[in-house]
Amino acid sequence: QVQLQQSGAELVKPGSSVKISCKASGYTFTSYDMHWIKQQPGNGLEWIGWIYPGNGNTKYNQKFNGKATLTADKSSSTAYMQLSSLTSEDSAVYFCARGVMDAWGQGASVTVSS
Amino acid sequence: DIQMTQSPSFLSASVGDRVTINCKASQNINRYLNWYQQKLGEAPKLLIYNANSLQTGIPSRFSGSGSGTDFTLTISSLQPEDVATYFCLQHNSWPRTFGGGTKLELK
Repeated sequence: QVQLQQSGAELVKPGSSVKISCKASGYTFTSYDMHWIKQQPGNGLEWIGWIYPGNGNTKYNQKFNGKATLTADKSSSTAYMQLSSLTSEDSAVYFCARGVMDAWGQGASVTVSS
Repeated sequence: DIQMTQSPSFLSASVGDRVTINCKASQNINRYLNWYQQKLGEAPKLLIYNANSLQTGIPSRFSGSGSGTDFTLTISSLQPEDVATYFCLQHNSWPRTFGGGTKLELK
């Protein structure tokens, strides 16, 4: 069955960067988009961007331009999101989701604190 | 960006009740709307895609309707395991946008 396994919780310092992974299994990784979504308590869900692992094409929510960078490694069927210049506003749970968002990873918590 | 206005934000209902949750898009999104259920600490689960198609494995008490700008998720007979937050997602336009969520509790 389709599974998206995300990396674990991260505690990072303000101004630093973090890279979250999303390992796909149970389907052809290069045939489906991978989306990334941010969830903060009380702030709902925000779509960050999308990568097509087949050719590396990306599309970003303008709000996250310069904040998030999406990549994918076809050899390991893993998608990555790097978040840079972290502030407390970036503390959230981040999800990956496949294609039309029919399958989601379990979420990766990022806490930005000194 | 397309704004998705979801209502109500909070809903309290009894087992067996018929429950409806609404999403209104700020512009036409055709039928490109999904509904999700999210339980505390879990990933969202797709219930309905393209406004009215039931995802495989989802109980038939869940249904969706609507097109254009107005959409509804209906639970025909509320069960205890349906306690969760529900939200909609439009996938007609970029950027994708979500409704603010409806927290459903048992009365």
